[in-house]
Amino acid sequence: EAGVAQSPRYKIIEKRQSVAFWCNPISGHATLYWYQQILGQGPKLLIQFQNNGVVDDSQLPKDRFSAERLKGVDSTLKIQPAKLEDSAVYLCASSVRRGAQETQYFGPGTRLLVL
Amino acid sequence: QKEVEQNSGPLSVPEGAIASLNCTYSDRGSQSFFWYRQYSGKSPELIMFIYSNGDKEDGRFTAQLNKASQYVSLLIRDSQPSDSATYLCAVRGPATGFQKLVFGTGTRLLVSP
Repeated sequence: EAGVAQSPRYKIIEKRQSVAFWCNPISGHATLYWYQQILGQGPKLLIQFQNNGVVDDSQLPKDRFSAERLKGVDSTLKIQPAKLEDSAVYLCASSVRRGAQETQYFGPGTRLLVL
Repeated sequence: QKEVEQNSGPLSVPEGAIASLNCTYSDRGSQSFFWYRQYSGKSPELIMFIYSNGDKEDGRFTAQLNKASQYVSLLIRDSQPSDSATYLCAVRGPATGFQKLVFGTGTRLLVSP
């Protein structure tokens, strides 16, 4: 079974520029997550999709971040304009619920450096 | 108070010893508890999950949960240098609805040969 795919793996931009990340979840996984992991911290949830609907975006900085999952499969996360503090690893994860059990599987992440 | 707390470490143990990693959480309604391992520069990898009070064993790993004390731990027996990584504790709320996974900051484990 293929894992969660993400691209690009690395990105360097200057502040105030825009950037987009792409994620393709594990086939059949209805739930997709975007996390931000700043160095030395645990992943922080930015947005959670169930199929193509948003379940939780309470921690997404909506003035600069946006995300979509139009067909309920792959997803894009955009930052516009980027700030220095956006430098982090952006992790995509997907999961499927079986009864009460739900396990998330992470992609390799996109490492963003904002200069 | 942080929702999920872990000692950042590093926790240093010699090869062959038992490593004990601890995590406390603030939400008494939490139902699911996960341990992820993250090597430097890599993404988190699920090691174990536990839902019920008590111990759950999987190979060299044992997860322990005490909901009354709001405490979950991970024991690694016969620690190996390859176990050196950051271990993330993650907690999810009730099984109903879409409850997000909240991560701690992780404990860095160093196993010396």
